[in-house]
Amino acid sequence: DADVTQTPRNRITKTGKRIMLECSQTKGHDRMYWYRQDPGLGLRLIYYSFDVKDINKGEISDGYSVSRQAQAKFSLSLESAIPNQTALYFCATSDRDYQPLNEQFFGPGTRLTVL
Amino acid sequence: RKEVEQDPGPFNVPEGATVAFNCTYSNSASQSFFWYRQDCRKEPKLLMSVYSSGNEDGRFTAQLNRASQYISLLIRDSKLSDSATYLCVVNTNAGKSTFGDGTTLTVKP
Repeated sequence: DADVTQTPRNRITKTGKRIMLECSQTKGHDRMYWYRQDPGLGLRLIYYSFDVKDINKGEISDGYSVSRQAQAKFSLSLESAIPNQTALYFCATSDRDYQPLNEQFFGPGTRLTVL
Repeated sequence: RKEVEQDPGPFNVPEGATVAFNCTYSNSASQSFFWYRQDCRKEPKLLMSVYSSGNEDGRFTAQLNRASQYISLLIRDSKLSDSATYLCVVNTNAGKSTFGDGTTLTVKP
C-alpha cells in the first residue's frame, strides 16, 4: 500500500463550488505539506503543518484553507473554486527527526479542473 | 528573481551521452539541497541529496558550490529511462522547501 495517499485522484468541478482534497499518510511523519503544480512550473507551497496544532501559510495560500485532523491526515479546501485553481495538487510528508535534510515523500497527486 | 532557478531545457540527447543540469539559489541561509525526478506529471521522487563534498550514485554525480550558490547534476551514459523532469530543491533550516521549475530531459535512441 502507498505510504501517502490522496483522494480524489481526479476531479472536475464548476466555478464557485467548494472542494476538499484529502491526504493521508502511514509514514508516521509529523510534517505535511500541500503544493500545486502548473504546467511547465515547479511545485509551489500552499500550506504546511509541522504538527497537529501547527498550520502555516505558504507562498500561494489565498483562496485555500487547510485542516490537520490528525497526525496522519491533512485536508486542503477550496472554498469557492475558480478556473485558475485548475492544477495538479500534491500532498507531501517529511520526518522532523531528520532535519534539515527534510526529504519529502509525495502522494500521487490530484488533478483538479475548475470549469 | 526566483529563489531557485533552473535551465528549463528541454535537453534532447542520444543514449550514452553525458548531460549536466545547473541550478542556482538566492537564499544564502539555505541548508540542504536535493535533486528530485518527476515522470510525466507523476509525483516527484528523491533522486539524490547534494553535499558540499560532492556525491555520486552510479551514473549520477551531484555538486554543491555554496560560495556561488550553485548546484549541479551530471548524468553519464544516459539511458532512455533517464527521460524525465529533474527538479532542483533547496531547503531552509526552517524545514521549508523551494522547488525550481525543473529541467526536462529526453534521451533518444
